[in-house]
Amino acid sequence: DAGITQSPRHKVTETGTPVTLRCHQTENHRYMYWYRQDPGHGLRLIHYSYGVKDTDKGEVSDGYSVSRSKTEDFLLTLESATSSQTSVYFCAISESSGSRETQYFGPGTRLLVL
Amino acid sequence: GDSVTQMEGPVTLSEEAFLTINCTYTATGYPSLFWYVQYPGEGLQLLLKATKADDKGSNKGFEATYRKETTSFHLEKGSVQVSDSAVYFCALKPNTGNQFYFGTGTSLTVIP
Repeated sequence: DAGITQSPRHKVTETGTPVTLRCHQTENHRYMYWYRQDPGHGLRLIHYSYGVKDTDKGEVSDGYSVSRSKTEDFLLTLESATSSQTSVYFCAISESSGSRETQYFGPGTRLLVL
Repeated sequence: GDSVTQMEGPVTLSEEAFLTINCTYTATGYPSLFWYVQYPGEGLQLLLKATKADDKGSNKGFEATYRKETTSFHLEKGSVQVSDSAVYFCALKPNTGNQFYFGTGTSLTVIP
């Protein structure tokens, strides 16, 4: 258990509203990631962070922003939600063992944009 | 670029049947390779991993061998159970950079 929690776990919102999802970790991992999971696409990387205030874009970053003001929290914001952003969102951390890293996932947030 | 290709599903097997889920990868150098499992309504859980050529990862009766000559990391289990019904993801982490790459997932249903 990598000590990852996500909140909220479920959310229904309307098109055009802002939405913020939170990922919280308890073990001081440097790397954190946000993915979305959609049928037929598997997992797609939205953004990731390699330290406080250090973030980078992933494959599907349009329409999303992130912030990391402290090590334990990584926030994903949909500035103006659209129906195409209906998805399941997973946060992950990366843990190193020697020179090799392994990724561990949170339980997910199911978002429905009406 | 780096990528993972895994066999399409869904796969349906009878209990105690042999399971193979194929996974091939494209990457430079020597990536780490992973299998994750996702049960309904849950996040992905690490099932097994291998970090160098010819390594065999194993867990809960599942095995996968890192084959560099065929760029493959096929998942196998000798006798599946109903409780193995889940979606299985193959993934890789290149030995440079910060990103992981996932296959699209293979849904497995085991029937009694």
